Amino acid sequence: TQLLEQSPQFLSIQEGENLTVYCNSSSVFSSLQWYRQEPGEGPVLLVTVVTGGEVKKLKRLTFQFGDARKDSSLHITAAQPGDTGLYLCAGGEGTYKYIFGTGTRLKVLA
Amino acid sequence: KAGVTQTPRYLIKTRGQQVTLSCSPISGHRSVSWYQQTPGQGLQFLFEYFSETQRNKGNFPGRFSGRQFSNSRSEMNVSTLELGDSALYLCASSLGQTTGELFFGEGSRLTVL
Repeated sequence: TQLLEQSPQFLSIQEGENLTVYCNSSSVFSSLQWYRQEPGEGPVLLVTVVTGGEVKKLKRLTFQFGDARKDSSLHITAAQPGDTGLYLCAGGEGTYKYIFGTGTRLKVLA
Repeated sequence: KAGVTQTPRYLIKTRGQQVTLSCSPISGHRSVSWYQQTPGQGLQFLFEYFSETQRNKGNFPGRFSGRQFSNSRSEMNVSTLELGDSALYLCASSLGQTTGELFFGEGSRLTVL
């Protein structure tokens, strides 16, 4: 069974700080997605990466897919309270099934 | 464009009962996936349907079943409920590609007493 481990599990930072969340697996994925989930809602897609070594930027968020397509990272620059939420990575197996990571709960304090 | 609609949003059942959850996908989406979310296990894949056919299934016991109708609406059923089935059940719709975006509903929160 493929597993996706995320670290850290919890993160509490001050507004304006930078942070990086990691998503690691021993297995290769055909694609990697990042979602953010807020209380009482379902996850919402932030980005999809499909090529090893790919880097995507979305405003203050930078996503990277590892060269071997086994790991990914999410870097947030100058975090804001609106970034608070549960961040989930999800690995695509290419079989219409996604394996979700263990999650990183981020709280940004004003 | 209406989002993914799940009903009911909340429900309480007792051990041994069964439950049926419903999911209406975004118009035009033919794929519906179901996930179970718990604090300890995170999001776990239950099954995925596309045009009324189950294309993939997760590692859940046979008590968990699902189906999809010709209008793409989907239902999942859990029989002989156990305490450990208490969870948020999330439905996601998509166009059905292998790297497609999943659009999630708000979920159905099931509590088993």
